[in-house]
Amino acid sequence: ELKVEQNPLFLSMQEGKNYTIYCNYSTTSDRLYWYRQDPGKSLESLFVLLSNGAVKQEGRLMASLDTKARLSTLHITAAVHDLSATYFCAGYNAGNMLTFGGGTRLMVKP
Amino acid sequence: DAGVTQSPTHLIKTRGQQVTLRCSPISGHKSVSWYQQVLGQGPQFIFQYYEKEERGRGNFPDRFSARQFPNYSSELNVNALLLGDSALYLCASSLFVSQRTEAFFGQGTRLTVV
Repeated sequence: ELKVEQNPLFLSMQEGKNYTIYCNYSTTSDRLYWYRQDPGKSLESLFVLLSNGAVKQEGRLMASLDTKARLSTLHITAAVHDLSATYFCAGYNAGNMLTFGGGTRLMVKP
Repeated sequence: DAGVTQSPTHLIKTRGQQVTLRCSPISGHKSVSWYQQVLGQGPQFIFQYYEKEERGRGNFPDRFSARQFPNYSSELNVNALLLGDSALYLCASSLFVSQRTEAFFGQGTRLTVV
């Protein structure tokens, strides 16, 4: 059974700084997803990582996947306030159910 | 093209009552999944339906049930509500039942049990 762990759970950053969110998963997963969630809102898909070594970038966010280490990272470059949200990684478990990490709440301070 | 739509958006119920939540998938999508997200946690899988058949069930009590209709819309029912059922309930639709098809989430139904 797939287990997904994220760290840190909470991240307070200054604008302009860089930081990385880590996502470790316990068993092989066909693919790895990153989602963003604003308070009280639904999940917005950010990235789908399909294979070992995959790297995807959108604006100030870059996600990567290392299937051998069972690790995905979400790197934030020069953070801005608009990036404040909770970020989740998720992988597919048996039975085609998505298993989510506990989330990383990101707060970017001006 | 409309995304995944859920109704109602907010709901307040009393302990012991029953509730029905509704979900309409993206046009052409045949699979619907339900997730429960308690405040401060990641979503937890409840059910998956495909072509009106249950294809997956998470670790939830029998008070939770669901069904899918011929038009692929779905309902989630929760009986004998407990305070701990207060959560955001998310519906996700996908083309097929496969790990290779992406799931798209609706805006959720916020259920408060008092």
